[in-house]
Amino acid sequence: GQNIDQPTEMTATEGAIVQINCTYQTSGFNGLFWYQQHAGEAPTFLSYNVLDGLEEKGRFSSFLSRSKGYSYLLLKELQMKDSASYLCAALQAGTALIFGKGTTLSVSS
Amino acid sequence: DADVTQTPRNRITKTGKRIMLECSQTKGHDRMYWYRQDPGLGLRLIYYSFDVKDINKGEISDGYSVSRQAQAKFSLSLESAIPNQTALYFCATSGRPGTGNTGELFFGEGSRLTVL
Repeated sequence: GQNIDQPTEMTATEGAIVQINCTYQTSGFNGLFWYQQHAGEAPTFLSYNVLDGLEEKGRFSSFLSRSKGYSYLLLKELQMKDSASYLCAALQAGTALIFGKGTTLSVSS
Repeated sequence: DADVTQTPRNRITKTGKRIMLECSQTKGHDRMYWYRQDPGLGLRLIYYSFDVKDINKGEISDGYSVSRQAQAKFSLSLESAIPNQTALYFCATSGRPGTGNTGELFFGEGSRLTVL
């Protein structure tokens, strides 16, 4: 089976940097995904890591350590529109993506 | 038009009724999935299918059944709906990892089901 843990809620202010952590336990690991989901909408893809290290995409970066079962999503220069839920999900070879419960990020001015 | 289309988008029904949620996709993906989302519980996997003749149970398949009618169509049925099946349901598709795909999921817009 799989187990994915991430904080339930986080708050931050506009212009700041926030790091959302995720730990996972899975066999046959085949990648770690981050999705963004605004209330009432479908999740949208943010990033994918399968090898150790940092992947940067504009204001968003994602890091993976396979040996530690750990990932984080880093959001820079926060904007109000970044208020959303952030979903960590792990892919086990031969099965489907399993999601954590999500982290609700509130950005205030 | 959306690549992954779910119908209906909203449905209110009564306990004991049979409900079908339909999903169709134009992405040409082999893999299709059904998830449900409840507040505080995240997305939980109900069923998934890697091709037309392949059906697999997910984390929470009890009370649900699925049918993969074609590569592009994957429907979810609740044979006898109960109130704790009230949730937001998402269909998703993906390519096979390693064939130029990461296994990224592409989601439909969701179907909100209320069982009274």
